[in-house]
Amino acid sequence: QQQVKQSPQSLIVQKGGISIINCAYENTAFDYFPWYQQFPGKGPALLIAIRPDVSEKKEGRFTISFNKSAKQFSLHIMDSQPGDSATYFCAANFGNEKLTFGTGTRLTIIP
Amino acid sequence: GAGVSQSPSNKVTEKGKDVELRCDPISGHTALYWYRQSLGQGLEFLIYFQGNSAPDKSGLPSDRFSAERTGGSVSTLTIQRTQQEDSAVYLCASSLLSGRPDTQYFGPGTRLTVL
Repeated sequence: QQQVKQSPQSLIVQKGGISIINCAYENTAFDYFPWYQQFPGKGPALLIAIRPDVSEKKEGRFTISFNKSAKQFSLHIMDSQPGDSATYFCAANFGNEKLTFGTGTRLTIIP
Repeated sequence: GAGVSQSPSNKVTEKGKDVELRCDPISGHTALYWYRQSLGQGLEFLIYFQGNSAPDKSGLPSDRFSAERTGGSVSTLTIQRTQQEDSAVYLCASSLLSGRPDTQYFGPGTRLTVL
């Protein structure tokens, strides 16, 4: 009931392309869906987050698309750059409770 | 501005020894979380402190794991009689609880290796 499923496990995208990472959740009580970016040796850092009352949120090159009926949300990185190479985690929670994380996607942007 | 800090950054210990991991949250943050990240895995919740409320210990994997938060600030995660499967990066996060929901800010983690 608490699980968040994330795919793909790894992703290679050419510079300038669009990177897409997908997540699905089961717990309909979740009301907050953040994406975290993690570089090697560092802790995760919040990238962008969405609440279920909107279907899309855009911040610069990063967009979250949210489908409440399908219980799915995705991260789109437009014009992907080598500096975007990192591991991305989707997560979900309700209130200020613990975050339930996906298993992560290792993104590599190639020149 | 100071973020969440954790110490030590790396800890190597022998099987059966006890270890203590420390977390200093962002000043003024009332919520503190511990997560564990195993190699190639996602982040697994361990324990959550919120103000003066009883902590949510539902993620602790065994009674060898315990955590304290003194004075509503610094937290210590203790693992007794460490096992090789305890090897992981232990991450601490804090949040302000100014609204609902609130961003969790993570520290750099402590990498624990149990030989």
